[in-house]
Amino acid sequence: AQKITQTQPGMFVQEKEAVTLDCTYDTSDPSYGLFWYKQPSSGEMIFLIYQGSYDQQNATEGRYSLNFQKARKSANLVISASQLGDSAMYFCAMTVRTGTALIFGKGTTLSVSS
Amino acid sequence: EAQVTQNPRYLITVTGKKLTVTCSQNMNHEYMSWYRQDPGLGLRQIYYSMNVEVTDKGDVPEGYKVSRKEKRNFPLILESPSPNQTSLYFCASSLGTGTLYNEQFFGPGTRLTVL
Repeated sequence: AQKITQTQPGMFVQEKEAVTLDCTYDTSDPSYGLFWYKQPSSGEMIFLIYQGSYDQQNATEGRYSLNFQKARKSANLVISASQLGDSAMYFCAMTVRTGTALIFGKGTTLSVSS
Repeated sequence: EAQVTQNPRYLITVTGKKLTVTCSQNMNHEYMSWYRQDPGLGLRQIYYSMNVEVTDKGDVPEGYKVSRKEKRNFPLILESPSPNQTSLYFCASSLGTGTLYNEQFFGPGTRLTVL
């Protein structure tokens, strides 16, 4: 069975600092994709970044990067230069093989202060 | 604008009163799915559909029904809602299976309260 674990219920960071949100995954399938979504207080789900299991390089999207360590089965999200607008819930998710269901972790709440 | 729409956005109802939450996408996506989000549990898949007239159970299907008569629509039906179905519901769609990069586009969510 596939599983996503996010061990940090809440994280606190000051503006302009970098922050790492942890995500570990468990699957025996060699083909999988890893996603990060942001959910602000308004409730919508915003796609941030994707990493495929066969991708050789870590994914980056602007201030977001995914620290993919395959042997450790971790896919941590790194946000550089945090902004107040980054305050939100962040979900790590995984899809395997044919990419039907997204399996979500329980989320990490990030609070950015000035 | 490419989007997934859900209606209603907010609903308060009583136990046992049948309700339908509609979901529609304008991206010609093959795959559609319903999730529920509960505090401390993340999002869990209720049902999904890989194409018209093809639906299957997700992780938490009990108490829900779906149908996919048209490609763009995927309504969620609660025949006899109970308080434990109070939750935030998301509809999502994506191009389809066959690729790992199956980015799912989410609707704005429906907050349901069952009294």
